[in-house]
Amino acid sequence: NAGVTQTPKFRVLKTGQSMTLLCAQDMNHEYMYWYRQDPGMGLRLIHYSVGEGTTAKGEVPDGYNVSRLKKQNFLLGLESAAPSQTSVYFCASSKISGANVLTFGAGSRLTVL
Amino acid sequence: DAKTTQPPSMDCAEGRAANLPCNHSTISGNEYVYWYRQIHSQGPQYIIHGLKNNETNEMASLIITEDRKSSTLILPHATLRDTAVYYCIVRVGSNAGNMLTFGGGTRLMVKP
Repeated sequence: NAGVTQTPKFRVLKTGQSMTLLCAQDMNHEYMYWYRQDPGMGLRLIHYSVGEGTTAKGEVPDGYNVSRLKKQNFLLGLESAAPSQTSVYFCASSKISGANVLTFGAGSRLTVL
Repeated sequence: DAKTTQPPSMDCAEGRAANLPCNHSTISGNEYVYWYRQIHSQGPQYIIHGLKNNETNEMASLIITEDRKSSTLILPHATLRDTAVYYCIVRVGSNAGNMLTFGGGTRLMVKP
């Protein structure tokens, strides 16, 4: 099993450009999450989803949008990238029965110039 | 949610046991203690969790005090690959839309 796969792994954007980060999990998990981690900091939750077609805001949702059209995929979009969104983004998933046991992806490093 | 307090950093000699403490004096009766670690540049990895009984798995042991106000994660024979930031998190068990909060954690350095 691949677990949680994030694409792309690295991306450089110019201010104002848009992009989408894709997260795919093959564990049939109901819950999915997007976190960001800035240098030397802990992880902060951006958005999460408790099931196909549902999303909710986390701690730092501004500037991001998400969609969960399929159970296995969770997309994170930046409509107009800003330098403050330079960060490492981690996707995670978990089961209903073990909601706090998260499986994380390897991360996507985004730089906004 | 109960707040946790961890030392910012610790050292451990390779092959020795690493004991990582966590204080959670305001923990509620239905809150579990979870441990994750993050090896440099990688995504966090779940290690273990418990409610009130001590727990052991292939990675580590979790010792929770009887009053549940503190706990210790034990890596029995630390290796260089165990160098990482270790996060102690207290949360209610399975709960829809639970938001795990990863704070500062303890940076464990395993030395040869």
